[in-house]
Amino acid sequence: DAGITQSPRHKVTETGTPVTLRCHQTENHRYMYWYRQDPGHGLRLIHYSYGVKDTDKGEVSDGYSVSRSKTEDFLLTLESATSSQTSVYFCAISESRQPQHFGDGTRLSIL
Amino acid sequence: RKEVEQDPGPFNVPEGATVAFNCTYSNSASQSFFWYRQDCRKEPKLLMSVYSSGNEDGRFTAQLNRASQYISLLIRDSKLSDSATYLCAVTSGSGNTGKLIFGQGTTLQVKP
Repeated sequence: DAGITQSPRHKVTETGTPVTLRCHQTENHRYMYWYRQDPGHGLRLIHYSYGVKDTDKGEVSDGYSVSRSKTEDFLLTLESATSSQTSVYFCAISESRQPQHFGDGTRLSIL
Repeated sequence: RKEVEQDPGPFNVPEGATVAFNCTYSNSASQSFFWYRQDCRKEPKLLMSVYSSGNEDGRFTAQLNRASQYISLLIRDSKLSDSATYLCAVTSGSGNTGKLIFGQGTTLQVKP
């Protein structure tokens, strides 16, 4: 399995609080991605990174920010969590033109 | 129209059956194509890449039809353990970002 660790694996928090999810890789891959997966919508890209300090928005980026200060870490922050952000979040990594490999996911519930 | 479309199913088949899934994509510039398998409450896992000439991995065969812009996955001799959701993924255009667009998935249930 690709060396990808997501933390936390589960989190319950309240509306309006900031939340940060961490993705850590040991593969030295250039590209990292954050997705959310919801019933009826499939996997949707939130943000991605193509190098240290190089990030770009995905399909559903509103309400989310990211940072990548080191190759191995990609952080996803919900600035002020809302109930609509309750979801399963997956991190993925890849090299150019290669398939992506996913972490185990984070189940986030916002009450 | 969605960029990548799959029939969500479910496909209910008996053990030993052959089943095929299709996935259509809208961006003719897409260069790379993949099939992933996702078990309930788990992460997607790469099943196989799809090559222009078609490729086979055991009971699984993947094909690409660029003219009609679809990829297919054929599973022969279905096993109970094949029950899962199968996601197709297509690169977003011809660039090097590695971005993939995923279909919503097709659910397969193999019955004894």
